[in-house]
Amino acid sequence: KNEVEQSPQNLTAQEGEFITINCSYSVGISALHWLQQHPGGGIVSLFMLSSGKKKHGRLIATINIQEKHSSLHITASHPRDSAVYICAVNNAGNMLTFGGGTRLMVKP
Amino acid sequence: GAGVSQSPSNKVTEKGKDVELRCDPISGHTALYWYRQSLGQGLEFLIYFQGNSAPDKSGLPSDRFSAERTGGSVSTLTIQRTQQEDSAVYLCASSSRAVETQYFGPGTRLLVL
Repeated sequence: KNEVEQSPQNLTAQEGEFITINCSYSVGISALHWLQQHPGGGIVSLFMLSSGKKKHGRLIATINIQEKHSSLHITASHPRDSAVYICAVNNAGNMLTFGGGTRLMVKP
Repeated sequence: GAGVSQSPSNKVTEKGKDVELRCDPISGHTALYWYRQSLGQGLEFLIYFQGNSAPDKSGLPSDRFSAERTGGSVSTLTIQRTQQEDSAVYLCASSSRAVETQYFGPGTRLLVL
């Protein structure tokens, strides 16, 4: 079993829909990251969080340390949100351990 | 520059040759990471540098892989006697300190023929 599991692996939504991507982890962590990777593009850090909730524009990230679970929400989704979203954790060391990613497509 | 830069952006080499990949982190960032993203697979950690401490090499897949960071800034990842399974995108990231937001470079796409 991978240390970081994401669901769903693939997600198709209509423009305007509310989107949730889930991440579960099985190890103790010091922080959790949500990353975005556009096709053929680089990786951008969206959030780093160790407790509670963070919001940036239409993106919201939450984490429940007791349940070892985090969610990334996208409100009023737009085609430009189409990308791979990756959950990663800082666990034993300072490096990141990654989930398998969620491929999101938002259709106009 | 303002971000992490990597060179070359693409590298094609023949099996058995050595390759060097370069990373220029954001100025002042003490932490530098190398990751690999293989086709159809997720991202995996390779090596981590923090300041003047000994690097964490726990992610290197074999002794053909090595990396150094000179003067606490530029880093070079070297792969000796490349194999076809080394084909991947090699990503560098830096952060201002440990356990902080990581800023990723554009990656080097390596193809071993």
